[in-house]
Amino acid sequence: AQKITQTQPGMFVQEKEAVTLDCTYDTSDPSYGLFWYKQPSSGEMIFLIYQGSYDQQNATEGRYSLNFQKARKSANLVISASQLGDSAMYFCAMINTGGFKTIFGAGTRLFVKA
Amino acid sequence: DAGVIQSPRHEVTEMGQEVTLRCKPISGHDYLFWYRQTMMRGLELLIYFNNNVPIDDSGMPEDRFSAKMPNASFSTLKIQPSEPRDSAVYFCASQTGGRAYNEQFFGPGTRLTVL
Repeated sequence: AQKITQTQPGMFVQEKEAVTLDCTYDTSDPSYGLFWYKQPSSGEMIFLIYQGSYDQQNATEGRYSLNFQKARKSANLVISASQLGDSAMYFCAMINTGGFKTIFGAGTRLFVKA
Repeated sequence: DAGVIQSPRHEVTEMGQEVTLRCKPISGHDYLFWYRQTMMRGLELLIYFNNNVPIDDSGMPEDRFSAKMPNASFSTLKIQPSEPRDSAVYFCASQTGGRAYNEQFFGPGTRLTVL
């Protein structure tokens, strides 16, 4: 069965520093995709970054990068130069590319300190 | 584009009442997803549609829940009868098909409270 694990319920980071949010996954499918979403206190879900299982390079989107280690089945999100507006809940998700069923991790709440 | 539209944004009802949540996906998106978010269970996929056809409803918790998509621009999630444990935020999301790595665009959610 597919599973996403986020082991950090909460994280603190100083403004302007980098932070890594952990995500491990489990699947027997060779083809899958991994996403990160941000959920601020207002409640909406905001797409951040995507990594495909066959992608050779780690995905990057502005200050966000995904540290993809396929053998270890991890897909950690790295946020560089944290900003106060980065304080939010962050969800790791996996999609089976043979279908479109998406499963989400429990989330990590990030607090950015001034 | 206005994005995914959900209504109502907030719903408070009493146990036993019927609740209908509505969603308008982004025009041109042929996949539509219904999710439920609770503190205890996190974000769960309830059902998704492709071209208005339900593809996977294995996440629907029980027969009290039903979802329809009568056309490409409208979907409903109905709970009848509602129970206090149904209290949650319900999200609708839409996506263009063809590639699973296309981003899912989420609506603002409907916060349901069943008393």
